[in-house]
Amino acid sequence: QVQLVQSGAEVKKPGASVKVSCKAPGNTFASYDIHWVRQAAGQGLEWMGWIHPKSGNTGYAQNFQGRVTMTTSTATGTVFMELSSLRSDDTAVYYCARFNGATHADYWGQGTLVSVSS
Amino acid sequence: SYELTQTPSVSVSPGQTASITCSGDKLGDQYVSWYQQKPGQSPVLVIYQDAKRPSGIPERFSGSNSGNTATLTVSGTLAMDEADYYCQAWDSSHVLFGGGTKLTVL
Repeated sequence: QVQLVQSGAEVKKPGASVKVSCKAPGNTFASYDIHWVRQAAGQGLEWMGWIHPKSGNTGYAQNFQGRVTMTTSTATGTVFMELSSLRSDDTAVYYCARFNGATHADYWGQGTLVSVSS
Repeated sequence: SYELTQTPSVSVSPGQTASITCSGDKLGDQYVSWYQQKPGQSPVLVIYQDAKRPSGIPERFSGSNSGNTATLTVSGTLAMDEADYYCQAWDSSHVLFGGGTKLTVL
């Protein structure tokens, strides 16, 4: 069983940035893409982008281009997703997920609630 | 832009078969995955590469994909199968999710 462990809930004001972390076991960090998906309350899953932790290569969804940055820390085996210029409609649970074979997400983090409110 | 369309809700009686569909242009030309999500929980992979079941997923879950439609079938539905189900595919190196289907076991 692969565990992706995410950081805790965040409360931010509009216009601020948030950085969510996702710690992955060593073999996952080296060999699999990590994707970020968010879900607003009562809504569906929305894909944000991906990063290959070892190479640092990224790909972002058009909806988030210019506002999202995905990075990694090789030393700690952690992937980060930073979202800037937060708005109230960014309030959601943010998930990291390991993609296997570039087709499907076989393991998901527990989710991180980000609340944006003035 | 490419979209995946799911029926918002499906109802089924316990022990019966539920079919959840996902539609997209030439969807059968690529792999589709399905995820189950229960309230307050992270999504769980139930079908990948159209019809494969991950370890630990009951045999009552099966999948198919042809033409413009992928289908997740739950045979002998149990009360514990009540959840939201999402299909997932790719479009030009971007991941897509369907809007989700709420499966209600009445």
